[in-house]
Amino acid sequence: GPKVLQIPSHQIIDMGQMVTLNCDPVSNHLYFYWYKQILGQQMEFLVNFYNGKVMEKSKLFKDQFSVERPDGSYFTLKIQPTALEDSAVYFCASSFSINERLFFGHGTKLSVL
Amino acid sequence: QQQVRQSPQSLTVWEGETTILNCSYEDSTFDYFPWYRQFPGKSPALLIAISLVSNKKEDGRFTIFFNKREKKLSLHITDSQPGDSATYFCAARGNTNTGKLTFGDGTVLTVKP
Repeated sequence: GPKVLQIPSHQIIDMGQMVTLNCDPVSNHLYFYWYKQILGQQMEFLVNFYNGKVMEKSKLFKDQFSVERPDGSYFTLKIQPTALEDSAVYFCASSFSINERLFFGHGTKLSVL
Repeated sequence: QQQVRQSPQSLTVWEGETTILNCSYEDSTFDYFPWYRQFPGKSPALLIAISLVSNKKEDGRFTIFFNKREKKLSLHITDSQPGDSATYFCAARGNTNTGKLTFGDGTVLTVKP
C-alpha cells in the first residue's frame, strides 16, 4: 500500500541545537500532518499543512517549531532550539483529502540530551 | 481534559476469545471515529472506522458498536489471534475541516496461544 517515509528513524541531539525531521509523504497526497507521541502515551496532533500553509496547530506546536514543504519535496518539521521535553517519537502522516484516511510513517524517535 | 478515552489500558486474552476494547469521547462535534492498530516499532495503520450515520460497522473479525447517545464505542475482535497482539488506538475527527484526529491513549492487547 501507499507508504509515508520518515528520515531519520532516530535522531540524538544536544539540547539547544536545531533539528529537522523529514517526511516523504504519499506522492499524490495534498494534506500533511505531524503528530507527537511520548513513550506509552497517546499520539497528539501538532500541526497540519495544505497548499503551502499551516491549517491548524495545537498548543504543543511551540514558537520553536516550524513546518514547510519547499517545492514539493520533503515535508519537514524543524525545531530550533530543541528542549528536553521535545524528546518523543514524531509521526508524519498524509492524506489525499480532508475526509480520506491518514497514512502514517514509521516515526522518527528524537532524543534531546 | 482528555477528549478521547480508552479502556482498558491493557488486556490479555486467549486465542479464540472475543476481545472488547472501549472508547468514549467528550466533544459533540466529533463525527468520524477511526481505529488504528500499531505493532511495536511500526507505524499506526487504519483498521476500521465508523461515522455518525452508523451504529455498527463490520469488517471480517472486527466490529465497531456505536452508542451515540452515550458517546461510547467499542471494538470487538472475534476469534482473537496471537497476530492481533498490538496497541489499538481509538481516534476521533471533528468538523473543523482540517482533518485533525484526536487519539486516545491506546489499549495494549496481548493474545496468548
